[in-house]
Amino acid sequence: GDSVTQMEGPVTLSEEAFLTINCTYTATGYPSLFWYVQYPGEGLQLLLKATKADDKGSNKGFEATYRKETTSFHLEKGSVQVSDSAVYFCALSARRALTFGSGTRLQVQP
Amino acid sequence: DAMVIQNPRYQVTQFGKPVTLSCSQTLNHNVMYWYQQKSSQAPKLLFHYYDKDFNNEADTPDNFQSRRPNTSFCFLDIRSPGLGDAAMYLCATSSLVRSSTDTQYFGPGTRLTVL
Repeated sequence: GDSVTQMEGPVTLSEEAFLTINCTYTATGYPSLFWYVQYPGEGLQLLLKATKADDKGSNKGFEATYRKETTSFHLEKGSVQVSDSAVYFCALSARRALTFGSGTRLQVQP
Repeated sequence: DAMVIQNPRYQVTQFGKPVTLSCSQTLNHNVMYWYQQKSSQAPKLLFHYYDKDFNNEADTPDNFQSRRPNTSFCFLDIRSPGLGDAAMYLCATSSLVRSSTDTQYFGPGTRLTVL
């Protein structure tokens, strides 16, 4: 079945550091790929998405590229801020269901 | 702004006392989902409605039921909450035509406490 694997957290960075959160997937067919962010006590917010191979999703300085050859969708940001501290979920969508990774907690220190 | 609304944000109930959580949406999406999220875990899909068609996940306990009286509203009923049902419950919506996928938009969640 479909699955998503993302790097274990927590990831602790200093402000303005470069961020990478790795995400790989297993799926039949051609899923859409997503990154969601969850701030403490809140629901999930869509951060970015890509619907086909080589698409790049971007939002708020975050980027991720749909790599079919490596089945990956790594999240990157060039300069993180304290306000980026949250849990990040990678997910894929095939048919109607979302399959989530386990989430990666990011802590950004001033 | 079009959005997904969940009420209440925090719900406290007693062991075994039925509870209903509410979700409404102004997006006019045809699919509505309910997820359960326990601490430090990924959301787990309980069921979804595709228009009026109810789709239950195989491992969702019978204790969990849902109703969708119209396009805008969907309810999650927990008939006899146990301590293990304490969690964040997330509602999501998407706009799907058959054989396609689309983005799911989430509400802020309802945090359920069972005493």
